[in-house]
Parts: sequence; structure tokens; C-alpha cells
Amino acid sequence: QLQLQESGPGLVKPSETLSLTCTVSGGSISSSSYYWGWIRQPPGKGLEWIGSIYYSGSTYYNPSLKSRVTISVDTSKNQFSLKLSSVTAADTAVYYCARLSGYDGVNPWGQGTLVTVSS
Amino acid sequence: SYELTQPPSVSVSPGQTARITCSGDALPKQYAYWYQQKPGQAPVLVIYKDSERPSGIPERFSGSSSGTTVTLTISGVQAEDEADYYCQSADSSGTLYVFGTGTKVTVL
Repeated sequence: QLQLQESGPGLVKPSETLSLTCTVSGGSISSSSYYWGWIRQPPGKGLEWIGSIYYSGSTYYNPSLKSRVTISVDTSKNQFSLKLSSVTAADTAVYYCARLSGYDGVNPWGQGTLVTVSS
Repeated sequence: SYELTQPPSVSVSPGQTARITCSGDALPKQYAYWYQQKPGQAPVLVIYKDSERPSGIPERFSGSSSGTTVTLTISGVQAEDEADYYCQSADSSGTLYVFGTGTKVTVL
């Protein structure tokens, strides 16, 4: 059964860079059928797609975050990562990693990790 | 930017039918997906490709599509169905994902 697990600091200072890693187990990140992505949810608010990456390194980003986002993949470790620069309090959210497909949707999801931006 | 619009809330009595709509200009060209999210939990896929139901999802969950609107129907609502529901699709290019605004389903 495919599982995804987010890891990274739970507290980031304003203006710094948020960094998270997603470890995929129970399957290969190099599958040709899927993208891998990040989604976030501010407390009490809705879901926001951040971006997606293919195992080859091809990426797509939410235009509203594109200038600050970098998503990368490490197939040797079966991991992909998120970097969000110049964070503010508005970036405080639960960050989810997930497998994405134009046929199967976003499934499965990681359990999510809360990242708080505060000094 | 592309948006998917949902009603903020839907209230329904146990055993009745709940219908949640999601509207977006690209929906005639792109599949829609529905997710259920309970407090403190990650979203769970309940409908994919407009109307397909993943294994393990109860038959009372169904999806349909008509033009620029897709609908999630929960027939015979149970107390455990109380949750937030989000639609999701892609823009006309198929490369940018978007989530709906979310609908809170309350079981009276």
C-alpha cells in the first residue's frame, strides 16, 4: 500500500525558507503514470495546490506562488521536496504531500504537517 | 486565475439526500474529483473522473456532470458523513490543479 510521509521543521521565521520532504513508501516515485505534489491548508481555510513534479524533474507550479516555490525530486531516495522562500505569516498552514494523476486524482495523501511562520 | 465555486454549507437530516455543486468554466473539458475531509484528518478521495467511486467508498456517494457544473450526491446521509467536501479539477491546459472553495455538510 502506497504511503507518503512529510517531514521538516514545524516552525520557520518570517523571510526565511520553508523546507519539507516527502518520503514515498510501498511504491516507486519513478512510476510513469503519476505526478507528485504539495498541497497546503491554512488553519480553518480551504485547500490550495502548490505544485507538482514528475520523476524526470518536470514541474508545474501554482501561478500565485511560482516566484517563491521550488519542488525537486530524488529518485534514489524515493523522495520529493518543497522549498518556499520569503515566508510570511500567511504561509502558516498544514502542508500535505500527495500522489497526483489526471485519472485517479489526488490519492493518496500524506498525513500533513503543520508549519507555523513566526519569529 | 481559474476558480471552482461551491456553496459554503449544506444541511441535511439523516437518511435524506445531500447534493453539493461545483462550478467552473473548464469542467466540460477536465475531469472532476471530490474529497471528504474530517477535522484533523487529511482529505480522502470519494469520487474520481466525475462519477467513479474508489474501492472502499460507500455506494451512497455518487457524482455527476453537466456542462460547467459537477455534483456530489450523498444518498441516505449518515451522521458519519458530516465533513468538509472539496471538488478538484484542472485548468483548460490540464497542468494546473485547482480545488473548490469547500462545502461544510452538517447532518442535523
